[in-house]
Amino acid sequence: GEDVEQSLFLSVREGDSSVINCTYTDSSSTYLYWYKQEPGAGLQLLTYIFSNMDMKQDQRLTVLLNKKDKHLSLRIADTQTGDSAIYFCAETSISGGYNKLIFGAGTRLAVHP
Amino acid sequence: NAGVTQTPKFQVLKTGQSMTLQCAQDMNHEYMSWYRQDPGMGLRLIHYSVGAGITDQGEVPNGYNVSRSTTEDFPLRLLSAAPSQTSVYFCASSSNRDRVYNEQFFGPGTRLTVL
Repeated sequence: GEDVEQSLFLSVREGDSSVINCTYTDSSSTYLYWYKQEPGAGLQLLTYIFSNMDMKQDQRLTVLLNKKDKHLSLRIADTQTGDSAIYFCAETSISGGYNKLIFGAGTRLAVHP
Repeated sequence: NAGVTQTPKFQVLKTGQSMTLQCAQDMNHEYMSWYRQDPGMGLRLIHYSVGAGITDQGEVPNGYNVSRSTTEDFPLRLLSAAPSQTSVYFCASSSNRDRVYNEQFFGPGTRLTVL
């Protein structure tokens, strides 16, 4: 079945790079997503990657996709305290005409001075 | 646009009580869904709707009912609350124009405690 796995915690020093990893199971996922959840708020789409891409860069964010290993990573360069949040990886699964999102458990990123 | 709104933000219920969590969106999105978020488990899909009058079950539907009489509103009903339903509930909506790309827009959540 569909499953998305992430490590639960990551602690980094301000200014360092953060790398959040994710593995997924559905090889037919056409898009893979990273959502960000700040304390007390809902999820917001951070970035996404199309399955025929290996890498996508967006300012401080770099997404790497290894389709063979079904591995997705999110790198945040020059991590700031404002990046402290929970980051969710999500794959897509089409069921009954509906394009569902399957979320991982989320990685809590703590940024310390 | 207000986006996706949810009410209430917080709710405490006693076991056996019923209540309705409200969700509304003003983006004319066809798809709406309800998730629950529990520590260490990510978001799990409860119910979803692909348009007014059409709903279906997600991953964890037991104990919850939904209806979709308008495009804008998608309420979630707890018929007889149980402590296992203590969670944070998120409503989300998305457009069906691109059946492949699916950016979901989330509401701020309702934190529910069942005693």
